[in-house]
Parts: sequence; structure tokens; C-alpha cells
Amino acid sequence: GEDVEQSLFLSVREGDSSVINCTYTDSSSTYLYWYKQEPGAGLQLLTYIFSNMDMKQDQRLTVLLNKKDKHLSLRIADTQTGDSAIYFCAQGTGRRALTFGSGTRLQVQP
Amino acid sequence: DSGVTQTPKHLITATGQRVTLRCSPRSGDLSVYWYQQSLDQGLQFLIQYYNGEERAKGNILERFSAQQFPDLHSELNLSSLELGDSALYFCASSFGRQVSTGELFFGEGSRLTVL
Repeated sequence: GEDVEQSLFLSVREGDSSVINCTYTDSSSTYLYWYKQEPGAGLQLLTYIFSNMDMKQDQRLTVLLNKKDKHLSLRIADTQTGDSAIYFCAQGTGRRALTFGSGTRLQVQP
Repeated sequence: DSGVTQTPKHLITATGQRVTLRCSPRSGDLSVYWYQQSLDQGLQFLIQYYNGEERAKGNILERFSAQQFPDLHSELNLSSLELGDSALYFCASSFGRQVSTGELFFGEGSRLTVL
């Protein structure tokens, strides 16, 4: 199957780090993605990682990939209230459309 | 603004009815994807068109159909509507046949409520 699983909800305090986790099933996934959905808006690509990488850092975002366990995480450093949104993990093989998880709602408490 | 336009933004209709959702992809993009977002099933891929032809099919019901026109806009037709079809329907576009490092650009969605 092509399931992607995420926890549904995460609450953190402003200034703390957030870690959103994802597990995927398709071992042939070539790229793994994190998308962000703000209220009333469509999804927007945050970052992606190629499957032969372990880590990717982009300003406050750090993506970690454990290919053996098929586990992907997104760490947001110094989380701000503007980071409150739903975060979707997605996997892609380049041959099929992206498969998305159900999304993790991140709530940032001031 | 992603450049992907979806209409209508909201739609309320009754069971048994038929509706059409419309999507204009980002300028220059040849692929259009339809996704359904519901509370209990997350974001489900329905179908992809590339340059007017069906490219990939996901969990699309037989009551649903789609097409992509020569000007590259796409329509998703939902018929014999049921309460469970209530959801947010997203259109996304990309330049190529497949998505790798290239991102999907999502519209703001069409919220369908079936009463």
C-alpha cells in the first residue's frame, strides 16, 4: 500500500521547537515532502528531501529521514504563532501522484 | 497566491444532484490533479490529467468524472451526490507529467456540502 501516517495534533509554546513525525510505507519513494496548509488556503510546499539524504536544513526547518524505518520528521525551531497550520507529509516515486498523510494540526500557544 | 484558480469556492446542494467544479491551472502548467479532503479520510488523490489526457487514477468513484480541455482548464463532475461526498475538493497543477523536486501548486479548494 501507499499509506502515509501522521499524528493528528501537536501543541507547543511559542519559542519552543516543534517536531512533527510521519511514517510512510512505499520503500520506492524517491522524494518525501512537507506541505503546509493555513486556514482557508490550499497546501503549499515547505520543503522536500531526496530519499538518499538523511537530513536537510532550511532556515528554521530541519527534515530528518530514517529510510530503514521509513520515518520522516519535520522540526521547526523557535516556533511562532504564524506557524500554526496543518502540516502534511507526502511521498512520491516520480511515477505516480503524491500520496499525502492526513495532516498534523500544529497549535502554537503564545 | 499559487496561480491556481478554483470555482466555486463554496457549493451547497442536495443528495442525488450533480455538480461541476472548475479549475484553471497555473500559467504554463500542463498537469492538473484533483484531491478530496475530508475529515475522516485526509487528503485523497482522485485523478491526474496531463496535457488533455488522463495520466493517473486514484480513489475516484465511478459517480465522479473529470476532463481537461484544450485550454488546460479542468472540470470535476460529481453526480448522484451522497452525504459522504461533502468535502473540500482541491485542484493542483504542475508543469510536467510527474512530480519530483517540482512542487504541486494548490488552489484554495471548493467546499462542497451535500444536504
